[in-house]
Amino acid sequence: NAGVMQNPRHLVRRRGQEARLRCSPMKGHSHVYWYRQLPEEGLKFMVYLQKENIIDESGMPKERFSAEFPKEGPSILRIQQVVRGDSAAYFCASSPPQIAGAYIQYFGAGTRLSVL
Amino acid sequence: SQQGEEDPQALSIQEGENATMNCSYKTSINNLQWYRQNSGRGLVHLILIRSNEREKHSGRLRVTLDTSKKSSSLLITASRAADTASYFCATDTGRRALTFGSGTRLQVQP
Repeated sequence: NAGVMQNPRHLVRRRGQEARLRCSPMKGHSHVYWYRQLPEEGLKFMVYLQKENIIDESGMPKERFSAEFPKEGPSILRIQQVVRGDSAAYFCASSPPQIAGAYIQYFGAGTRLSVL
Repeated sequence: SQQGEEDPQALSIQEGENATMNCSYKTSINNLQWYRQNSGRGLVHLILIRSNEREKHSGRLRVTLDTSKKSSSLLITASRAADTASYFCATDTGRRALTFGSGTRLQVQP
């Protein structure tokens, strides 16, 4: 049973370009979360999705960032017109349906975005 | 301070010693979780403690939770060089989105 798969592992973009980050959840998981981590900091929640639905996007910047989790295929985090401040590690996590009021999130290895 | 603050920020110990990390948070929680992150890697779940639990064990890990003080501690006993990593607490307030602290960087010297 493969874990959460993220690609690419490393992504280099120039200012103004678009970045597309992909995440395939673990088999059987229908909940996906995106987090961003700046160097020497903890993870900051961005968005929580289920298939074809955005459930909570309270952590997403209002502009340039969008996320989707289509019926088929991976979840995509899209950053338009990237700026240097977008440079960070972006982690995806997935979870199974809630069990007994608690659940565990399983994380991918992350995509490290560098904006030149 | 933000929800989920760990201290110390960095900890260096010798192999075989115990390591204790603390986490404080601000709001009511459903559960609190501890994760480990090796350098340049993703997070690995270590242990989850529910709000109605006070202590939990898993192998060499012992977690306590004091909801009256809004704090938790993670104890790693008989540490090994392989325990070198960053450790994060994360709180679940029922929104499903976890709120992470800034982490404790543990260095275990062989």
